[in-house]
Amino acid sequence: DQQVKQNSPSLSVQEGRISILNCDYTNSMFDYFLWYKKYPAEGPTFLISISSIKDKNEDGRFTVFLNKSAKHLSLHIVPSQPGDSAVYFCAASAAGAQKLVFGQGTRLTINP
Amino acid sequence: DVKVTQSSRYLVKRTGEKVFLECVQDMDHENMFWYRQDPGLGLRLIYFSYDVKMKEKGDIPEGYSVSREKKERFSLILESASTNQTSMYLCASSLLNRNNYGYTFGSGTRLTVV
Repeated sequence: DQQVKQNSPSLSVQEGRISILNCDYTNSMFDYFLWYKKYPAEGPTFLISISSIKDKNEDGRFTVFLNKSAKHLSLHIVPSQPGDSAVYFCAASAAGAQKLVFGQGTRLTINP
Repeated sequence: DVKVTQSSRYLVKRTGEKVFLECVQDMDHENMFWYRQDPGLGLRLIYFSYDVKMKEKGDIPEGYSVSREKKERFSLILESASTNQTSMYLCASSLLNRNNYGYTFGSGTRLTVV
């Protein structure tokens, strides 16, 4: 059972436009959410996180939105840059849990 | 700069071989994890450890075992490699009480079983 789902395997966006990556979850015990970015032949690196007590967290060009009632979060990248081309993983954890549950990933391609 | 180091970037092994994947972290993290990444399936947890000599099964432990004799080192063992274990293997570590950054990952080991 996939507790964290990223339903779009890939996304293509024009440079300078907004990229929106989506993530849905089913476990109501999840209270902390993270986004990781992964380039080929490298390990994932932390991008941004949000606690369930918030509905928005912003860090520069990256903003994560959390809709708890819909069990949905999204990552907005504005403006998109060529260096943003990567695979993005959504992850979640429950209070007291030591492990993260990851989604399938979305490959983002930024076109010049 | 904190680091998780995986001993090999690329490995090619034969079916039936015993394979060892090594991971070392220098951050004094309590937790260590082994994931595999496959297209369309994301990152799936194989095993994790929250202390020396402690281990817990993840979502896909079959065909794998682990060893953690020292806090900084976590080894993944493929007892008898099979072609369906061809994958990217990622090691990660974290503090016992999660911080805002979750895991720190290694660069991965691309294993091909022929």
